[in-house]
Amino acid sequence: DIQMTQSPSSLSASVGDRVTITCRASRDISNYLAWYQQKPGKGPNLLIYTASTLQSGVPSRFSGSGSGTDFTLTVSSLQPEDVATYYCQNHNSVPWTFGQGTKVEIK
Amino acid sequence: EVQLLESGGALVQPGGSLRLACAASGFTFNAYGMSWVRQAPGKGLEWVSAMSGGGITYYGDSVKGRFTISRDTSKNTLYLVMDRLRVEDTAEYYCAKGWGYLEYWGQGTPVTVSS
Repeated sequence: DIQMTQSPSSLSASVGDRVTITCRASRDISNYLAWYQQKPGKGPNLLIYTASTLQSGVPSRFSGSGSGTDFTLTVSSLQPEDVATYYCQNHNSVPWTFGQGTKVEIK
Repeated sequence: EVQLLESGGALVQPGGSLRLACAASGFTFNAYGMSWVRQAPGKGLEWVSAMSGGGITYYGDSVKGRFTISRDTSKNTLYLVMDRLRVEDTAEYYCAKGWGYLEYWGQGTPVTVSS
């Protein structure tokens, strides 16, 4: 199985800050990487798929990059409504494994 | 509008069985892959099982041989039959639409396995 490792596990930033979360796959997954946002008590919400394609309706301050084993989710200007836990996911091959999550808070 | 509504979660004893259902609407149900993903209390997401639009099924190692995914296309409903439940199966169970990446998710149904 492909292991997905996210860093950091949590972060605190100010409104308007640029925030970056990284995700590393244990082997090459090409660009088959998705990012999800989960707010407390809710199901996850797809933000980005195939590493950099923004899901319809997702604000443009979210962006993704990377290929192979190293990927990045960037929030260009953090907003209060972005407080959530973010997960990466390998969607290259079954089992579609998730990273352990990154909790984002406002400072 | 795509809607996914899970039901069937309950408190069950170890070794017991449970059937979860996911009622889908807003899309052509039998044309898309569907998955079950779970989240243990305070933990991250774990993919459990998936069925392709063509009916091919896949399972995670932790549930293989105990859980069965199926669908009733006449009712636009996805199922997860869970047998020989263990304490470690305690989680919120989500159904999701998509194959690989998961475009839409339900709100989840809670399963607690405890004596």
